[in-house]
Amino acid sequence: DAGVTQSPTHLIKTRGQQVTLRCSPISGHKSVSWYQQVLGQGPQFIFQYYEKEERGRGNFPDRFSARQFPNYSSELNVNALLLGDSALYLCASSLMGLAGGFQETQYFGPGTRLLVL
Amino acid sequence: DAKTTQPTSMDCAEGRAANLPCNHSTISGNEYVYWYRQIHSQGPQYIIHGLKNNETNEMASLIITEDRKSSTLILPHATLRDTAVYYCIVRPSSGQNFVFGPGTRLSVLP
Repeated sequence: DAGVTQSPTHLIKTRGQQVTLRCSPISGHKSVSWYQQVLGQGPQFIFQYYEKEERGRGNFPDRFSARQFPNYSSELNVNALLLGDSALYLCASSLMGLAGGFQETQYFGPGTRLLVL
Repeated sequence: DAKTTQPTSMDCAEGRAANLPCNHSTISGNEYVYWYRQIHSQGPQYIIHGLKNNETNEMASLIITEDRKSSTLILPHATLRDTAVYYCIVRPSSGQNFVFGPGTRLSVLP
């Protein structure tokens, strides 16, 4: 079975540009979460979506937005890129999100590495 | 949300058991302990999770103390491919997202 897939794998942008990252969850999973991982740190939560609705948001500026599609895939958009947005962006999928309870496991994709110059 | 404390780094000889400790003294009764690992530049890989009982799967064993204030992840026969950053996470009862700390960098030495 295919795991979580993300595209593109790598991306280079310049300051001020906009970027869209894509994620396809594991088949049957309805919840997608996005994380940002800056070099040398653990992943930081950005968003969670379940059944196309935002169910959680981390401490990130409004330049970050996301959406989930009827097929449960998701896009993360970042506007007005800053140098500090350079990071590995991770997508994780789970069956039901919060509705699945505290023991629901998230499975991560390989990530998209974004470099902002 | 409960916080976790892990050693910054550890070494382990290849073929020996790797025992990775984690303190979570403020854990609540319904919060699970999860372990993930991240091999260089890859996405975090799920290893195991538990509530109060010890757990074992094909990758590792998880030992949780009776008071649930600490746990140990055991890799029974470490290989070079187990070199990674290991994250101990307490699943927050306030929300769905995982809160990652800096983790433990495990180096398996030949």
